[in-house]
Amino acid sequence: EAGVAQSPRYKIIEKRQSVAFWCNPISGHATLYWYQQILGQGPKLLIQFQNNGVVDDSQLPKDRFSAERLKGVDSTLKIQPAKLEDSAVYLCASSLDRTYEQYFGPGTRLTVT
Amino acid sequence: GENVEQHPSTLSVQEGDSAVIKCTYSDSASNYFPWYKQELGKRPQLIIDIRSNVGEKKDQRIAVTLNKTAKHFSLHITETQPEDSAVYFCAASKGNAGNMLTFGGGTRLMVKP
Repeated sequence: EAGVAQSPRYKIIEKRQSVAFWCNPISGHATLYWYQQILGQGPKLLIQFQNNGVVDDSQLPKDRFSAERLKGVDSTLKIQPAKLEDSAVYLCASSLDRTYEQYFGPGTRLTVT
Repeated sequence: GENVEQHPSTLSVQEGDSAVIKCTYSDSASNYFPWYKQELGKRPQLIIDIRSNVGEKKDQRIAVTLNKTAKHFSLHITETQPEDSAVYFCAASKGNAGNMLTFGGGTRLMVKP
């Protein structure tokens, strides 16, 4: 089966600019996650969707980050405005449902200058 | 919230030796503990997981043990090979497989030929 797809793979922006990332989960997977992985650290969960509803977004910096999964399939994560500390790899993952293992996408490496 | 600590941060072994990575967690309600392998520039990949109703699980050269009383779990790799070189992350969650993973900080394993 096809894996989790993400685009773009790399993005370089200046601070205070906006950026958006896209994720297409594995077909049929109801649960979708966005993680932030800062260099040298483990992934940190930002937001979890179950179909098109938010399950948990307690660690999402809502003043600048937003995410949506309007039709319960693809998802976008947006940062507006970006800060230097947002430089990281943004990983999308999906699972069949909340009780099943998570599969990760290749990630988007964001550099904020 | 959950806190997962992982040790050591780096581990160097000779090919053929065993490697052990240890993690502790803080939330006694956590019941699912996966281990992910991440090669440089690639996505995290699930290599083995364990649920709180078992104490040990093996898959060929990889095993995971869980001590619920002490709230720690370990990854054991036997007969290490150069291709085992990667960063390994442990994680914990309360909702079986899919619910809000909290990751440890990672262990960089280097297997010297």
